[in-house]
Order: sequence, then C-alpha cells, then structure tokens
Amino acid sequence: NAGVTQTPKFQVLKTGQSMTLQCAQDMNHEYMSWYRQDPGMGLRLIHYSVGAGITDQGEVPNGYNVSRSTTEDFPLRLLSAAPSQTSVYFCASSLRRGVSNQPQHFGDGTRLSIL
Amino acid sequence: GQQVMQIPQYQHVQEGEDFTTYCNSSTTLSNIQWYKQRPGGHPVFLIQLVKSGEVKKQKRLTFQFGEAKKNSSLHITATQTTDVGTYFCAGSNRDDKIIFGKGTRLHILP
Repeated sequence: NAGVTQTPKFQVLKTGQSMTLQCAQDMNHEYMSWYRQDPGMGLRLIHYSVGAGITDQGEVPNGYNVSRSTTEDFPLRLLSAAPSQTSVYFCASSLRRGVSNQPQHFGDGTRLSIL
Repeated sequence: GQQVMQIPQYQHVQEGEDFTTYCNSSTTLSNIQWYKQRPGGHPVFLIQLVKSGEVKKQKRLTFQFGEAKKNSSLHITATQTTDVGTYFCAGSNRDDKIIFGKGTRLHILP
C-alpha cells in the first residue's frame, strides 16, 4: 500500500506564480485534509473534505483553493504565491465513522519556498 | 473558533526522567488524538481518546482525557532516546475540523 502520496517533495516558486500540490490516497478514505507547518506554529488546517464533491475551509484558507472530484485525490492550489506561503505542506486522510474522525494518515510533505 | 493550546512548547529531560505534555481546548471535544513527529518526518498517529475521563496506556506512554472533554495529557515514564520528537494533540468536535496544538518538542539529554 502506498498510503498517502504527495508530489512534489520540494518546490521553489516566484511570487505571483501559481501551483498545484498533489495528494492521492489509496485507502478509500472519505476524509482528507491539508495542513501547513511553520516553525513554532504546529500544524494549521487549510482545507478539508469529508467526501467527493464536498470541501470546507479550515483555520487558514486564504490564498488556497481545493477540489475533491474523486475519493482518491485532493489537490491544493496556490493561485498567486506569496512569500508568507513558504511552509511545509502535509496532506492527510482518514476514515469516518458516523461523526467520529478516525486516525489520520499523513503524507511525507511538500517543502515549498516562495521567493 | 476552536482553539487547542498545548504546553510546554519545549522540554529537555535527562534520559530516564519522566515527561508530560498538556493540551487544553477552548471548546468541548468529541475526541482527541495524539501524534508524534520525528525531526524531518511526518506526524504519526499514536492514540485516540473518546470517552470522558478515559485513560489509555501504550507501554511507557499514558494518555488521559479530562472529565469535561476539554483537556488531555500525555505522560512518558522513564524517557529513552527513541522518544525524541514533537508530540501533538489534535482535537475535533462535530464540525469535522481536526485542530492541532502547536506541539511539545522533547529533547533527551544523555
């Protein structure tokens, strides 16, 4: 099992460029989420999805878009990159049982630098 | 909005000493999860607590969920060098947002 796969692992962008971070899982998990991790800030939720066709905003959604056209994929789009978006981005997925979230499985992360 | 606060931010202990990290939520949680992240790695799930007052043990690790379901703790007995890393709590309520604390970074002094 591949689990949660994130691509690319590293990326450098110029201010104003757009980019899509890819996330795919092969565990048939309903719930998927994107977090950013900055030093001293822990993991902050950007967007999440409870199933195909359904997305919602997390703590820090500004500057990011997501879509969930399939159960497997949950791409994160930066429309116009800004230096403040320099971070490590983690994608995670989990099962859902009723209203209870289950353990999240994380990808290896994408290290993104905006110049 | 929901906030999850975690203390301390850093902890240095001698190998063999105990370690505790505390997590407090601004709202009542439906469940709380604990994760460990090794340097350069990704968070790895440790445990989930669901019931009020619940206590779970994993070898040297003891996890507690408060009676009001607003706080939690992780206690490690007799730390070892393999315990190095950052420990995160993550709480959720019924709106599906899983909010992480800022984590406690544990350093082990030999």
